[in-house]
Amino acid sequence: GQNIDQPTEMTATEGAIVQINCTYQTSGFNGLFWYQQHAGEAPTFLSYNVLDGLEEKGRFSSFLSRSKGYSYLLLKELQMKDSASYLCAALDSNYQLIWGAGTKLIIKP
Amino acid sequence: DTAVSQTPKYLVTQMGNDKSIKCEQNLGHDTMYWYKQDSKKFLKIMFSYNNKELIINETVPNRFSPKSPDKAHLNLHINSLELGDSAVYFCASSLRAGESGFVFGETQYFGPGTRLLVL
Repeated sequence: GQNIDQPTEMTATEGAIVQINCTYQTSGFNGLFWYQQHAGEAPTFLSYNVLDGLEEKGRFSSFLSRSKGYSYLLLKELQMKDSASYLCAALDSNYQLIWGAGTKLIIKP
Repeated sequence: DTAVSQTPKYLVTQMGNDKSIKCEQNLGHDTMYWYKQDSKKFLKIMFSYNNKELIINETVPNRFSPKSPDKAHLNLHINSLELGDSAVYFCASSLRAGESGFVFGETQYFGPGTRLLVL
């Protein structure tokens, strides 16, 4: 079956760095997305990786290893507004997004 | 300016009623989706609709039916509402260009969500 695994919850300190991991098993693979979802709001797009390696975009970076079925989202210089759920989603061979349950990130001062 | 809009934002209703949620996108996208997010925050795809091709998640009860009057709209109609239907329903759209398939990353843009509470 198809499956996405990511930690349920993580806690980090303002100004620090946090890495949120995601492993996936899908029927075919056409890329991996990270979305941010604040409580009570819709998910918003953060990043998309289809090739191996690190993609950097400001304070956020996303990494992909296709051979390992693994991705991570790296958040630097954490701010209180980064407190949210981070959703990992893989695009399968039918171009359907398979979603993880999300990682709730709690930022403490 | 809203890219993907949904109405209503909140919907409280009784068991057994029939209700509809409307979705509109002004992005010119070809594909639209309906998701259900339950209390555990897990996003479950219900339908995707692309150039009149409807792909249904087989686990969705047939009480749920999507209706698309045109490419910019995908409404969700729910018959005989049940307590377990209480959730947040998100509409989304992506660019995918019909038969040419995958365009770019299939980034999905989400509407603000409709919070449905069935009493």
